[in-house]
Amino acid sequence: DGGITQSPKYLFRKEGQNVTLSCEQNLNHDAMYWYRQDPGQGLRLIYYSQIVNDFQKGDIAEGYSVSREKKESFPLTVTSAQKNPTAFYLCASSVRVSGTEAFFGQGTRLTVV
Amino acid sequence: EDQVTQSPEALRLQEGESSSLNCSYTVSGLRGLFWYRQDPGKGPEFLFTLYSAGEEKEKERLKATLTKKESFLHITAPKPEDSATYLCAVHNAGGTSYGKLTFGQGTILTVHP
Repeated sequence: DGGITQSPKYLFRKEGQNVTLSCEQNLNHDAMYWYRQDPGQGLRLIYYSQIVNDFQKGDIAEGYSVSREKKESFPLTVTSAQKNPTAFYLCASSVRVSGTEAFFGQGTRLTVV
Repeated sequence: EDQVTQSPEALRLQEGESSSLNCSYTVSGLRGLFWYRQDPGKGPEFLFTLYSAGEEKEKERLKATLTKKESFLHITAPKPEDSATYLCAVHNAGGTSYGKLTFGQGTILTVHP
């Protein structure tokens, strides 16, 4: 089945640690996105990528980093510089960066302990 | 800056009571308006794409419409299983916002039997 796979579903991090969230898609989509969702707030864009080896900062990129070495993969690293990392993280992809619908994975819930 | 505002924030309906959700947007170059449904703890599920004013899309009890400034999601004779958060998003093709997918805060719909 085609789709977007995020792993792990739940992740616990100690303060001061970096963690990497995985996002893989087999839809052959060029564009990929990372969003953060907090209770009572909408989805906020962290990073997006239009093509392999290219990515742009979204609205809340501070404390996060990404890479796009393969078309299928767009991992997100939450660094120790992110002051409030506890949130629900969503990865999405679309055929191209403009004008086409995005499809989402099932999310990773990150908790700092 | 792109803006998407959804209203109301929450809507409670009785089963069979039809209503509408609103999505108002400000974007320099609209390349698509998207509706999603999100269940608690899950990723958003794609519903509709609208591209131009006057366009309408239907799926079961849902109908989405688009004008130059807003979109409506009409729900006809809703059932309890329609309870979810409905999200609206816009794709911008203009300037520094090219490629960004911007979401509204969502409307939480609860349908009582």
